[in-house]
Amino acid sequence: QKEVEQDPGPLSVPEGAIVSLNCTYSNSAFQYFMWYRQYSRKGPELLMYTYSSGNKEDGRFTAQVDKSSKYISLFIRDSQPSDSATYLCATYVTGGFKTIFGAGTRLFVKA
Amino acid sequence: EPEVTQTPSHQVTQMGQEVILRCVPISNHLYFYWYRQILGQKVEFLVSFYNNEISEKSEIFDDQFSVERPDGSNFTLKIRSTKLEDSAMYFCASSSGTGTEKLFFGSGTQLSVL
Repeated sequence: QKEVEQDPGPLSVPEGAIVSLNCTYSNSAFQYFMWYRQYSRKGPELLMYTYSSGNKEDGRFTAQVDKSSKYISLFIRDSQPSDSATYLCATYVTGGFKTIFGAGTRLFVKA
Repeated sequence: EPEVTQTPSHQVTQMGQEVILRCVPISNHLYFYWYRQILGQKVEFLVSFYNNEISEKSEIFDDQFSVERPDGSNFTLKIRSTKLEDSAMYFCASSSGTGTEKLFFGSGTQLSVL
């Protein structure tokens, strides 16, 4: 079983739509959950991170973690063409140094 | 805004040759990392480095790989004898504290082994 699973998409939405991106994970020891955005041929850029279960909001972005179902989500409100990128969920075991990434979901927002 | 800088952006080499990929992490960061991404695949952890020693490494990081912080600003990844399967984008990252939830990545070095 893969540690972090993420649907690679692609996901295509019209400008202004609400986008929902999701991942599942297998290891209950994971405590921190991150979302990175990656533009083509660039390094990942941290968007948000959450600790344990719950929601965290930052502008148009909301990250949600449900530890009971091992499910993490990123919601993007009022999506813009500039949001077109690959979104990577990630996690690690507290005290460790290795970040484990999902495969990434490619998002296209059409103007 | 401070950023992680990687050079070169592209490196082409012949199989069996040694390559050194260079990185300048963010100046007040203490933890340094190398990740790689083969085209179309996941970003994969290679190694982490703290206090002048490797803190964790993956099974990919075998004896052909080494890391070094030769001075107060640079962080390097050396591949001693490159293989075709080493062709990938290599990302350097750094973080300020013990939590790896906030990694700052460079733009990467695209390594092509011919």
